[in-house]
Amino acid sequence: EAGVAQSPRYKIIEKRQSVAFWCNPISGHATLYWYQQILGQGPKLLIQFQNNGVVDDSQLPKDRFSAERLKGVDSTLKIQPAKLEDSAVYLCASSGGGRALNEQFFGPGTRLTVL
Amino acid sequence: SQQGEEDPQALSIQEGENATMNCSYKTSINNLQWYRQNSGRGLVHLILIRSNEREKHSGRLRVTLDTSKKSSSLLITASRAADTASYFCATDESGANNLFFGTGTRLTVIP
Repeated sequence: EAGVAQSPRYKIIEKRQSVAFWCNPISGHATLYWYQQILGQGPKLLIQFQNNGVVDDSQLPKDRFSAERLKGVDSTLKIQPAKLEDSAVYLCASSGGGRALNEQFFGPGTRLTVL
Repeated sequence: SQQGEEDPQALSIQEGENATMNCSYKTSINNLQWYRQNSGRGLVHLILIRSNEREKHSGRLRVTLDTSKKSSSLLITASRAADTASYFCATDESGANNLFFGTGTRLTVIP
């Protein structure tokens, strides 16, 4: 089966600019997650969707980050305006299909550098 | 929210040796999962152990869970150079599959 797709793979922007990331989860997976992984740390959950509804966005810096999953399939994560500390890898994951409901499948990530 | 902590932060072993890494966490959990991350394949799920299980095996992987000590260990037997990666434990506190990842153990297997 096709895995989680993310684009772009790399992005370099100046601080105060805007950026958007796209994720297409595994077909049939109802749950979609966005994580932020700063170099040397583990992934930190930003937001969790169940279909097109938000389950948990408690760790999302809502003053600058936004995410949507309008049709319950693919999703976009936006940062506006970006700060230097937003430099990280942004991982998308999905779950909910097959025999292992709790297993999350991760995409390759988008590496963001903010200058 | 709580986050697991892996120990050691880094581990270097010879190919063929066993590697053990530990994870400690702070609150009650529904399950604990181990993931591997390397540059080639990204973050990949390895194994899940539920709170009512004490030990689980998958190929060369053995995971233990001690809920009284709030700790877990991952053992990789007969290590290979391809096992070189960062290993993370992740806890599911609520059963909603909202995972909290630890800081990771960086494993290097020397051929």
